Amino acid sequence: NAGVTQTPKFQVLKTGQSMTLQCAQDMNHEYMSWYRQDPGMGLRLIHYSVGAGITDQGEVPNGYNVSRSTTEDFPLRLLSAAPSQTSVYFCASSYVPAGVHNEQFFGPGTRLTVL
Amino acid sequence: GNSVTQMEGPVTLSEEAFLTINCTYTATGYPSLFWYVQYPGEGLQLLLKATKADDKGSNKGFEATYRKETTSFHLEKGSVQVSDSAVYFCALSDRNAGNMLTFGGGTRLMVKP
Repeated sequence: NAGVTQTPKFQVLKTGQSMTLQCAQDMNHEYMSWYRQDPGMGLRLIHYSVGAGITDQGEVPNGYNVSRSTTEDFPLRLLSAAPSQTSVYFCASSYVPAGVHNEQFFGPGTRLTVL
Repeated sequence: GNSVTQMEGPVTLSEEAFLTINCTYTATGYPSLFWYVQYPGEGLQLLLKATKADDKGSNKGFEATYRKETTSFHLEKGSVQVSDSAVYFCALSDRNAGNMLTFGGGTRLMVKP
């Protein structure tokens, strides 16, 4: 199993550019999510999905779009990048319904810089 | 809403010293509690977890006990090593909130030889 994979590892954008961060998992997990990590603020949830075709907003969704057409993939789109979106982005997945066994598995992260 | 508060770092210790990283939480439901660790340049890995009151999670010499009465989940290790240098995140997962994880701000641990 590759687990959770993310591409690219690093990306530099100019303000106003758009891009898609890719995330895939091969564990047949229903639940997938995107977080951003900023210094001193831990990880904050951007969007999540409880299954193919179902997405919902997290704590900081503005400026980001997601879709979930398959169980395996959960791409994150930045429509018009802003310097405030400079961050490290983590994708995670877990088995749902879980209740007790709700460990999330994280990808290695994408470091994004917006100039 | 849910929240997690961790002691601010960095925490600097000498090798073989005792480690405590404090974590307290507020939750609307009955959460599961986690400690995740992030080594330099890597993603987060689950270190340990506890799913009900008085449960003790343990792994790699680290321990944490779910204390419902004090809403705490402090991380401890009796003798730290240089290889334990990392950022540690306390988190909770609330079934009433779709199992979403709420993280604390993270505590950087630096262990010197």
